[in-house]
Amino acid sequence: NAGVTQTPKFQVLKTGQSMTLQCAQDMNHNSMYWYRQDPGMGLRLIYYSASEGTTDKGEVPNGYNVSRLNKREFSLRLESAAPSQTSVYFCASSEGRADTQYFGPGTRLTVL
Amino acid sequence: QKEVEQNSGPLSVPEGAIASLNCTYSDRGSQSFFWYRQYSGKSPELIMFIYSNGDKEDGRFTAQLNKASQYVSLLIRDSQPSDSATYLCAVNDYKLSFGAGTTVTVRA
Repeated sequence: NAGVTQTPKFQVLKTGQSMTLQCAQDMNHNSMYWYRQDPGMGLRLIYYSASEGTTDKGEVPNGYNVSRLNKREFSLRLESAAPSQTSVYFCASSEGRADTQYFGPGTRLTVL
Repeated sequence: QKEVEQNSGPLSVPEGAIASLNCTYSDRGSQSFFWYRQYSGKSPELIMFIYSNGDKEDGRFTAQLNKASQYVSLLIRDSQPSDSATYLCAVNDYKLSFGAGTTVTVRA
């Protein structure tokens, strides 16, 4: 049981480049989430998917898109990276929206 | 006003002492409350959740919830150096809102 996995672990991009962060869970959870964590800001929700086939914006969605590919996988895409998107990105999953969320190991992204 | 506020740190306590962490939230309708621990460079991991007013104990950890005062706290008894981490309070009102975290250092 791997839990929640994320790839890549580290990434450096130049301004304007695009990339997709991958997330997968093997706990048969319905809900999945993408957060970013910046120093002193705590975790902020970017997008979430309450169930397969649905996605909704969180607190800071601008500059990002998501795809819930199937029940296991939830990807986050940066179409045109900006230095303000330098952050640590965490994927999480939960059985339902009110349940405990379990986090992946994170992706450290630097945009130059 | 931020939705979830935690007492600013860092908090330094001697080994064996009690560490007390506080959290207030703005949405009176919030139903579930979580405490996560995050070691430096790692992802958050759940310590406890609490849904009802009162105390909930799990080993050395006690969560306390007072919905009337919109206040949730975490006590760490017999603090150990391995408890040194950042503690995140999270409140679920159909989306999980996190506080900025309180960093705890336990001095040996």
